[in-house]
Amino acid sequence: AQKITQTQPGMFVQEKEAVTLDCTYDTSDPSYGLFWYKQPSSGEMIFLIYQGSYDQQNATEGRYSLNFQKARKSANLVISASQLGDSAMYFCAMREARDTGGFKTIFGAGTRLFVKA
Amino acid sequence: KAGVTQTPRYLIKTRGQQVTLSCSPISGHRSVSWYQQTPGQGLQFLFEYFSETQRNKGNFPGRFSGRQFSNSRSEMNVSTLELGDSALYLCASSFRTGRNNEQFFGPGTRLTVL
Repeated sequence: AQKITQTQPGMFVQEKEAVTLDCTYDTSDPSYGLFWYKQPSSGEMIFLIYQGSYDQQNATEGRYSLNFQKARKSANLVISASQLGDSAMYFCAMREARDTGGFKTIFGAGTRLFVKA
Repeated sequence: KAGVTQTPRYLIKTRGQQVTLSCSPISGHRSVSWYQQTPGQGLQFLFEYFSETQRNKGNFPGRFSGRQFSNSRSEMNVSTLELGDSALYLCASSFRTGRNNEQFFGPGTRLTVL
């Protein structure tokens, strides 16, 4: 079963507008971490934002904010005032404990964002 | 502070050969994870090391192995290469292991198997 679902393979947004990238997850672990990463065409993964499952407030990092709806198991990334440099692949990820011990990070399939001038 | 470095950046091998990829984590980071990224399968977890011990392993065949040294540098090895092993191999480091583990990724090693 898919643990992380990103339903938007591709998204277009006009420069300076806000955009929301969807992410839903599935876990039975009450304690987990949610992450968003950006991957430009160069290939390097860039950490954007983190949300802990017990965090009461939505995480924010500059122009990035995470719309965390725990009951719906949703962790959408909101990018405000899009810039041309935001064009990239965006991955939602979840880190949870494994039954066999240790932790594992699971990534979604990604959403490719195109920012139009 | 220097970021995560991976060597080599690009590699071309032929089927049946073996390859060793190297990852140097951010100074002070003790956890190193490896991921394989392909267009078809996306990002898949290979293994995680913390303080020289493998803490976790993904669903990959035994041809994929790794290790971590006392200075936290890590290597992964793929033996008897197959065409399907062509991928971007990403290494990520973090200060510790845990649920809220922010991972910092290196630029990756792009492996092509002919």
